[in-house]
Amino acid sequence: DQQVKQNSPSLSVQEGRISILNCDYTNSMFDYFLWYKKYPAEGPTFLISISSIKDKNEDGRFTVFLNKSAKHLSLHIVPSQPGDSAVYFCAATNTGGFKTIFGAGTRLFVKA
Amino acid sequence: EAQVTQNPRYLITVTGKKLTVTCSQNMNHEYMSWYRQDPGLGLRQIYYSMNVEVTDKGDVPEGYKVSRKEKRNFPLILESPSPNQTSLYFCASSFNDRYEQYFGPGTRLTVT
Repeated sequence: DQQVKQNSPSLSVQEGRISILNCDYTNSMFDYFLWYKKYPAEGPTFLISISSIKDKNEDGRFTVFLNKSAKHLSLHIVPSQPGDSAVYFCAATNTGGFKTIFGAGTRLFVKA
Repeated sequence: EAQVTQNPRYLITVTGKKLTVTCSQNMNHEYMSWYRQDPGLGLRQIYYSMNVEVTDKGDVPEGYKVSRKEKRNFPLILESPSPNQTSLYFCASSFNDRYEQYFGPGTRLTVT
Protein backbone atom coordinates (compact mmCIF):
# COMPACT_ATOMS: atom_id res chain seq x y z
CA ASP A 1 0.00 0.00 0.00
CA GLN A 2 1.73 3.15 -1.23
CA GLN A 3 1.43 5.90 1.35
CA VAL A 4 2.95 8.48 -1.00
CA LYS A 5 1.79 8.50 -4.59
CA GLN A 6 3.02 10.33 -7.63
CA ASN A 7 0.48 9.34 -10.23
CA SER A 8 2.18 10.90 -13.24
CA PRO A 9 5.21 8.87 -14.34
CA SER A 10 6.28 11.62 -16.71
CA LEU A 11 5.61 15.22 -17.65
CA SER A 12 6.75 17.23 -20.67
CA VAL A 13 6.88 21.03 -20.57
CA GLN A 14 8.15 23.74 -22.87
CA GLU A 15 11.07 25.84 -21.68
CA GLY A 16 9.90 29.00 -19.93
CA ARG A 17 6.52 27.54 -18.98
CA ILE A 18 5.38 26.32 -15.57
CA SER A 19 5.97 22.71 -14.49
CA ILE A 20 3.56 21.32 -11.90
CA LEU A 21 4.39 18.03 -10.25
CA ASN A 22 1.83 16.43 -7.97
CA CYS A 23 1.99 14.16 -4.96
CA ASP A 24 -0.73 12.59 -2.82
CA TYR A 25 -0.37 10.93 0.56
CA THR A 26 -2.65 8.77 2.66
CA ASN A 27 -1.11 8.86 6.13
CA SER A 28 -2.45 11.81 8.12
CA MET A 29 0.45 11.41 10.57
CA PHE A 30 2.92 12.79 8.02
CA ASP A 31 3.91 16.29 9.04
CA TYR A 32 6.97 17.10 6.94
CA PHE A 33 7.32 16.82 3.19
CA LEU A 34 10.32 17.08 0.89
CA TRP A 35 11.06 17.12 -2.82
CA TYR A 36 14.22 15.64 -4.26
CA LYS A 37 15.62 15.84 -7.77
CA LYS A 38 17.58 13.02 -9.36
CA TYR A 39 19.75 13.06 -12.47
CA PRO A 40 20.85 9.79 -14.11
CA ALA A 41 23.83 8.07 -12.48
CA GLU A 42 23.65 10.37 -9.44
CA GLY A 43 22.04 10.21 -6.04
CA PRO A 44 18.94 12.30 -5.31
CA THR A 45 19.53 15.86 -4.15
CA PHE A 46 17.29 17.86 -1.87
CA LEU A 47 15.23 20.56 -3.53
CA ILE A 48 12.66 22.04 -1.15
CA SER A 49 10.60 21.07 1.89
CA ILE A 50 7.47 22.12 3.75
CA SER A 51 6.15 21.57 7.23
CA SER A 52 2.49 20.72 7.80
CA ILE A 53 2.02 23.98 9.69
CA LYS A 54 2.50 25.85 6.41
CA ASP A 55 0.67 25.73 3.12
CA LYS A 56 3.36 27.23 0.91
CA ASN A 57 7.13 27.43 0.76
CA GLU A 58 9.09 29.21 -1.91
CA ASP A 59 12.73 29.07 -2.95
CA GLY A 60 13.63 30.91 -6.12
CA ARG A 61 11.92 29.25 -9.07
CA PHE A 62 10.57 26.44 -6.88
CA THR A 63 7.40 26.60 -4.80
CA VAL A 64 5.77 23.78 -2.90
CA PHE A 65 2.09 23.95 -1.96
CA LEU A 66 0.48 21.77 0.70
CA ASN A 67 -3.24 21.08 0.97
CA LYS A 68 -3.65 19.10 4.17
CA SER A 69 -7.38 18.55 3.84
CA ALA A 70 -6.85 16.95 0.44
CA LYS A 71 -3.60 15.26 1.51
CA HIS A 72 -2.00 16.71 -1.58
CA LEU A 73 1.14 18.64 -2.35
CA SER A 74 2.52 20.06 -5.53
CA LEU A 75 5.82 21.41 -6.76
CA HIS A 76 5.75 24.37 -9.13
CA ILE A 77 8.77 25.28 -11.21
CA VAL A 78 8.60 28.68 -12.90
CA PRO A 79 10.08 29.25 -15.39
CA SER A 80 11.10 25.75 -16.39
CA GLN A 81 14.58 25.30 -17.82
CA PRO A 82 16.13 22.41 -19.78
CA GLY A 83 18.45 21.75 -16.83
CA ASP A 84 15.37 20.95 -14.74
CA SER A 85 14.89 17.76 -16.74
CA ALA A 86 15.24 15.03 -14.11
CA VAL A 87 13.23 12.64 -11.97
CA TYR A 88 11.48 14.33 -9.05
CA PHE A 89 10.63 12.41 -5.90
CA CYS A 90 8.15 13.47 -3.28
CA ALA A 91 8.91 12.24 0.27
CA ALA A 92 7.08 12.36 3.59
CA THR A 93 8.00 11.80 7.20
CA ASN A 94 6.48 12.31 10.65
CA THR A 95 7.74 13.64 13.96
CA GLY A 96 9.59 10.99 15.90
CA GLY A 97 8.85 8.37 13.28
CA PHE A 98 12.26 8.42 11.65
CA LYS A 99 10.91 6.63 8.58
CA THR A 100 10.87 8.45 5.27
CA ILE A 101 8.45 7.35 2.58
CA PHE A 102 9.14 8.24 -1.05
CA GLY A 103 6.83 8.33 -4.03
CA ALA A 104 7.63 6.50 -7.26
CA GLY A 105 8.90 9.67 -8.94
CA THR A 106 7.90 11.80 -11.92
CA ARG A 107 10.25 12.23 -14.86
CA LEU A 108 10.19 15.83 -16.07
CA PHE A 109 11.24 16.72 -19.62
CA VAL A 110 11.76 20.40 -20.35
CA LYS A 111 11.95 21.02 -24.09
CA ALA A 112 14.06 23.87 -25.40
CA GLU B 1 33.94 18.51 0.66
CA ALA B 2 30.80 17.30 2.43
CA GLN B 3 29.80 13.99 0.95
CA VAL B 4 28.42 10.50 1.29
CA THR B 5 30.51 7.81 -0.31
CA GLN B 6 29.49 4.28 -1.24
CA ASN B 7 31.57 1.35 -2.35
CA PRO B 8 31.49 -0.44 -4.64
CA ARG B 9 29.61 1.55 -7.26
CA TYR B 10 28.90 -1.54 -9.34
CA LEU B 11 28.77 -5.16 -8.25
CA ILE B 12 27.79 -8.36 -10.01
CA THR B 13 27.60 -11.41 -7.78
CA VAL B 14 26.02 -14.84 -7.54
CA THR B 15 23.19 -16.08 -5.40
CA GLY B 16 24.22 -16.88 -1.85
CA LYS B 17 27.61 -15.14 -1.81
CA LYS B 18 27.72 -12.75 1.13
CA LEU B 19 28.50 -9.15 0.33
CA THR B 20 28.83 -5.79 2.05
CA VAL B 21 28.21 -2.37 0.60
CA THR B 22 29.99 0.32 2.57
CA CYS B 23 28.68 3.81 3.26
CA SER B 24 30.55 6.66 4.89
CA GLN B 25 29.70 10.31 5.56
CA ASN B 26 31.96 13.15 6.67
CA MET B 27 29.30 15.57 7.93
CA ASN B 28 28.95 14.25 11.48
CA HIS B 29 25.33 13.36 10.77
CA GLU B 30 23.43 11.34 13.34
CA TYR B 31 20.87 9.86 10.98
CA MET B 32 21.76 7.43 8.21
CA SER B 33 19.60 5.31 5.98
CA TRP B 34 19.66 2.78 3.14
CA TYR B 35 17.25 2.77 0.22
CA ARG B 36 16.73 0.68 -2.85
CA GLN B 37 15.38 2.10 -6.08
CA ASP B 38 13.38 -0.10 -8.42
CA PRO B 39 11.46 0.90 -11.57
CA GLY B 40 7.96 2.09 -10.80
CA LEU B 41 8.51 1.79 -7.05
CA GLY B 42 10.66 4.80 -6.30
CA LEU B 43 12.94 4.72 -3.28
CA ARG B 44 12.08 2.26 -0.55
CA GLN B 45 13.74 2.43 2.83
CA ILE B 46 15.56 -0.70 3.93
CA TYR B 47 17.04 0.26 7.32
CA TYR B 48 17.84 3.44 9.14
CA SER B 49 19.95 4.46 12.10
CA MET B 50 19.27 7.32 14.49
CA ASN B 51 22.74 7.16 16.02
CA VAL B 52 25.59 4.80 16.89
CA GLU B 53 24.30 1.36 17.88
CA VAL B 54 20.67 2.43 17.18
CA THR B 55 19.09 0.96 14.06
CA ASP B 56 15.58 0.07 12.95
CA LYS B 57 13.77 -1.52 10.05
CA GLY B 58 12.40 0.44 7.15
CA ASP B 59 9.77 -0.84 4.76
CA VAL B 60 11.77 -3.58 3.02
CA PRO B 61 14.31 -5.00 5.51
CA GLU B 62 14.02 -8.68 4.58
CA GLY B 63 17.33 -10.16 3.45
CA TYR B 64 19.44 -7.25 4.71
CA LYS B 65 21.44 -6.46 7.81
CA VAL B 66 23.08 -3.25 8.98
CA SER B 67 25.35 -2.12 11.76
CA ARG B 68 26.33 1.28 13.12
CA LYS B 69 29.47 0.95 15.20
CA GLU B 70 30.83 4.36 14.25
CA LYS B 71 28.95 7.55 13.54
CA ARG B 72 30.38 7.99 10.06
CA ASN B 73 29.86 4.43 8.73
CA PHE B 74 26.71 2.47 8.00
CA PRO B 75 27.41 -0.71 5.99
CA LEU B 76 24.67 -2.74 4.33
CA ILE B 77 25.13 -6.50 4.51
CA LEU B 78 23.50 -9.11 2.31
CA GLU B 79 24.19 -12.45 3.99
CA SER B 80 22.75 -14.57 1.19
CA PRO B 81 21.89 -12.42 -1.83
CA SER B 82 19.08 -13.48 -4.13
CA PRO B 83 18.14 -12.26 -7.62
CA ASN B 84 15.23 -10.21 -6.23
CA GLN B 85 17.82 -8.03 -4.48
CA THR B 86 19.13 -6.86 -7.85
CA SER B 87 18.59 -3.12 -7.56
CA LEU B 88 20.13 0.33 -7.27
CA TYR B 89 21.05 1.08 -3.67
CA PHE B 90 21.48 4.49 -2.06
CA CYS B 91 22.90 5.44 1.28
CA ALA B 92 21.85 8.77 2.81
CA SER B 93 22.57 10.83 5.90
CA SER B 94 21.14 13.87 7.66
CA PHE B 95 21.19 15.63 11.03
CA ASN B 96 17.88 13.95 11.75
CA ASP B 97 15.00 12.50 9.78
CA ARG B 98 13.31 15.86 9.37
CA TYR B 99 16.16 17.56 7.60
CA GLU B 100 17.09 17.00 4.04
CA GLN B 101 19.06 13.85 3.41
CA TYR B 102 22.34 13.79 1.54
CA PHE B 103 22.59 10.83 -0.77
CA GLY B 104 25.54 8.84 -1.98
CA PRO B 105 26.07 8.19 -5.70
CA GLY B 106 24.45 4.76 -5.61
CA THR B 107 25.55 1.13 -5.91
CA ARG B 108 24.16 -0.92 -8.74
CA LEU B 109 23.94 -4.54 -7.61
CA THR B 110 23.18 -7.47 -9.87
CA VAL B 111 22.63 -10.91 -8.35
CA THR B 112 22.62 -13.80 -10.83
